[in-house]
Amino acid sequence: EVQLVESGGGLVQPGGSLRLSCAASGFTFSDHYMDWVRQAPGKGLEWVGRSRNKRDSYIAEYAASVKGRFTISRDNSKNSLYLEMNSLKSEDTAVYYCARDCAHWGRGTLVTVSS
Amino acid sequence: DIVMTQTPLSLPVTLGQPASISCKSSQSLVRSDGNTYLSWLHQRPGQPPRLLIHTISHRFSGVPDRFSGSGADTDFTLKISRVEGEDVGVYYCVQLSQSPITFGQGTRLEIK
Repeated sequence: EVQLVESGGGLVQPGGSLRLSCAASGFTFSDHYMDWVRQAPGKGLEWVGRSRNKRDSYIAEYAASVKGRFTISRDNSKNSLYLEMNSLKSEDTAVYYCARDCAHWGRGTLVTVSS
Repeated sequence: DIVMTQTPLSLPVTLGQPASISCKSSQSLVRSDGNTYLSWLHQRPGQPPRLLIHTISHRFSGVPDRFSGSGADTDFTLKISRVEGEDVGVYYCVQLSQSPITFGQGTRLEIK
């Protein structure tokens, strides 16, 4: 069974940093693209970025709204995906989901950017 | 970026009645491999999204057959043949044919 478990969310001040993790199990992690998707309170879903699979050299892609501030990485030995978030803004406040193919989703982790 | 436009944004439905949601993309979603990567998600309050339909019309594992998807190119539809109470929530179309992945605005289904 595919399982995705996010962690690392919390309260951070504007301009601060946070690192989210996603622990994956139940499938061959390196074979799959992995996405980060976020949802601001009361709003819709927004794609944040992705890590491609082994065949596509694990290339990372980003939404324009986070490019240059967020970094996606993965550790295939730990079946884990990461989202390093820097220069955080209030508009980054959201539940952050880890997802595979938009078919499998974690429960999300809440990031609140506020002073 | 491909823009996904859903209608309606609010959908009040009587239990047992059918429901339909439209999703239009600003560009063709047919990819070079010949597939069209259009999916439908359902999200209940406080829950993560759940995949209902992928590649236009294929129901995901465990999804009841009252849900069906159809369409092609830029025009897609999700239909629920008979709405049940557990179907309340927000429905999203999402395209995975081209990066960046983009979502529709969401359609909120409520019971009348």
